[in-house]
Amino acid sequence: DAGITQSPRHKVTETGTPVTLRCHQTENHRYMYWYRQDPGHGLRLIHYSYGVKDTDKGEVSDGYSVSRSKTEDFLLTLESATSSQTSVYFCAISELSSGNTIYFGEGSWLTVV
Amino acid sequence: KNEVEQSPQNLTAQEGEFITINCSYSVGISALHWLQQHPGGGIVSLFMLSSGKKKHGRLIATINIQEKHSSLHITASHPRDSAVYICAVMNRDDKIIFGKGTRLHILP
Repeated sequence: DAGITQSPRHKVTETGTPVTLRCHQTENHRYMYWYRQDPGHGLRLIHYSYGVKDTDKGEVSDGYSVSRSKTEDFLLTLESATSSQTSVYFCAISELSSGNTIYFGEGSWLTVV
Repeated sequence: KNEVEQSPQNLTAQEGEFITINCSYSVGISALHWLQQHPGGGIVSLFMLSSGKKKHGRLIATINIQEKHSSLHITASHPRDSAVYICAVMNRDDKIIFGKGTRLHILP
């Protein structure tokens, strides 16, 4: 199994509070992604990173920011959580040298009340 | 129109049946992935394809680059194969685009 962990795995928070999800990898892969998964929508890209301090927006980036100060960590921040951000969040990593195989974290269940 | 379309959305079959799940895409890709997600569980990569065909146990994945189409086949299906199967493509900008998944239920 690829070394990729997400934290926290489960969180309940109140509307308007900031939330940070962490994705940590031990594979030294260049590409890291944050997705959310919702019924009827499948997996949708929030933000992704192609290197330290190199990030770009995905299709549902509004209300989210990311940071990647080290190869191994990719942080997803909800500056002011809303109920529409209740979802399951998945981190993924990929590397061209590994044949573009994608590895996923186990998911973070976030509930905004 | 979604850039990655899967069919069927839902599939129920009897144990032992041959299963086919289809994926069509409309963008240029560098690779196509088939993923499996069990209920409440994580997502695992089954195959990564850029051409031809791959086989792993009872699972077979094929891709036709010219027709922008891929299929995932399961032979001698078993209840433990029940899961959501997701097709994903990596486009030329290194973004991964997912289909909405096919929910497979194998009845004993």
